[in-house]
Amino acid sequence: QVQLQESGPGLVKPSETLSLTCTVSGGSLSSYYWIWIRQPPGKGLEWIGHIYSSGGTNYNPSLKSRVTISLDMSKNQFSLELTSVTAADTAVYYCGRNLQQLVNSYYYFYMDVWGKGTTVTVSS
Amino acid sequence: DIQMTQSPSSLSASVGDRVTITCRASQSITTYLNWYQQKPGKAPKVLIYAASNLQSGVPSRFSGSGSGTDFTLTISSLQSEDFATYHCQQSYSTPWTFGQGTKVEIK
Repeated sequence: QVQLQESGPGLVKPSETLSLTCTVSGGSLSSYYWIWIRQPPGKGLEWIGHIYSSGGTNYNPSLKSRVTISLDMSKNQFSLELTSVTAADTAVYYCGRNLQQLVNSYYYFYMDVWGKGTTVTVSS
Repeated sequence: DIQMTQSPSSLSASVGDRVTITCRASQSITTYLNWYQQKPGKAPKVLIYAASNLQSGVPSRFSGSGSGTDFTLTISSLQSEDFATYHCQQSYSTPWTFGQGTKVEIK
């Protein structure tokens, strides 16, 4: 059974770079999309972006200038970097697997496996 | 971006009640709509994908319907373990977006 685990600093200073890693166990990165989602305190979920196992990426335009998602196939990990953070980036960050499912001849995407989430606070 | 609006934002219900949550998209998303359940301090868990397909292992009391802009999640007989927040999400076009969530509380 595939499991995901986020890791990284829980506290980041304003204007610095937030860096998180998601380690995938029980399965391979190959042939899947891997995703980052965040949830500010008391608020809804926000899609940050995703990466395919071939390395292709897609980012939320609201964050695109600050976000990089990358893969390390040798370590079975994928990572998130968010630059120039502010208090508005304080959130629980989740990594996940984005499954591509064929339904009635069309492909649908949904997140079928999630990490437990890691809280990142931006504060001096 | 496609805006997703859920209603109600919260509701109170009793065990055994039939519960319906709606989600409206700001434009047609055909059936590219997923539903997730989230309990406090936990990651979301997918219940329904492609508007009406039950994820493996999810109890059959959960069902989804709709297409275009209007969608519904129904819990046919609410159980104690169903008290949680429910989120809809569109995967029709990026950026993928979520509704604001519906909190189901005990009456």
